[in-house]
Amino acid sequence: QKEVEQNSGPLSVPEGAIASLNCTYSDRGSQSFFWYRQYSGKSPELIMFIYSNGDKEDGRFTAQLNKASQYVSLLIRDSQPSDSATYLCAVTDRGSTLGRLYFGRGTQLTVWP
Amino acid sequence: NAGVMQNPRHLVRRRGQEARLRCSPMKGHSHVYWYRQLPEEGLKFMVYLQKENIIDESGMPKERFSAEFPKEGPSILRIQQVVRGDSAAYFCASSQVQGNTEAFFGQGTRLTVV
Repeated sequence: QKEVEQNSGPLSVPEGAIASLNCTYSDRGSQSFFWYRQYSGKSPELIMFIYSNGDKEDGRFTAQLNKASQYVSLLIRDSQPSDSATYLCAVTDRGSTLGRLYFGRGTQLTVWP
Repeated sequence: NAGVMQNPRHLVRRRGQEARLRCSPMKGHSHVYWYRQLPEEGLKFMVYLQKENIIDESGMPKERFSAEFPKEGPSILRIQQVVRGDSAAYFCASSQVQGNTEAFFGQGTRLTVV
């Protein structure tokens, strides 16, 4: 059984601060890693994906992957109240041939003005 | 993503009735995935389909649940004889290429069993 673990939160940061979201996964063979944002009552929205060790930046978002530690994180710089949502970490099967995603339970982030 | 259309958005069924959830993938996408999100839990994979084929149904409960993706028309997730534990949000995602997990999600169908 593949496990994806996230701190459920809630994580609360002030506007303008850096929010750091963490995720660990059990299957060392996992190859692709995704961060989704989900507003309450809405569908998941893809924010970023990362395949290789290291950092990947996109605007205010930075994904960090460390396969040796089986750890992936998401940093949100200059956090805004509109970033308040649940952030879901997802990983793929070994070989990524089937496209199936394994999700964590999500971390609830609140950015207060 | 607005391109993946699910209907209905909300569905109320009494215990023992059947629920049919529909998903039309984004234009040009031939791979459909169904996920279920129970309250306070993460999304759980149910089934992966291509046109007229079930590729992976390892996440589907053994009884009462079935899925199809016919040559014409939307993908259907069917739940027979619903029970209260089936109450959840059911999300459909689609992708363009097999193994391409940059999938886009529909708005979901929220099923309530009373």
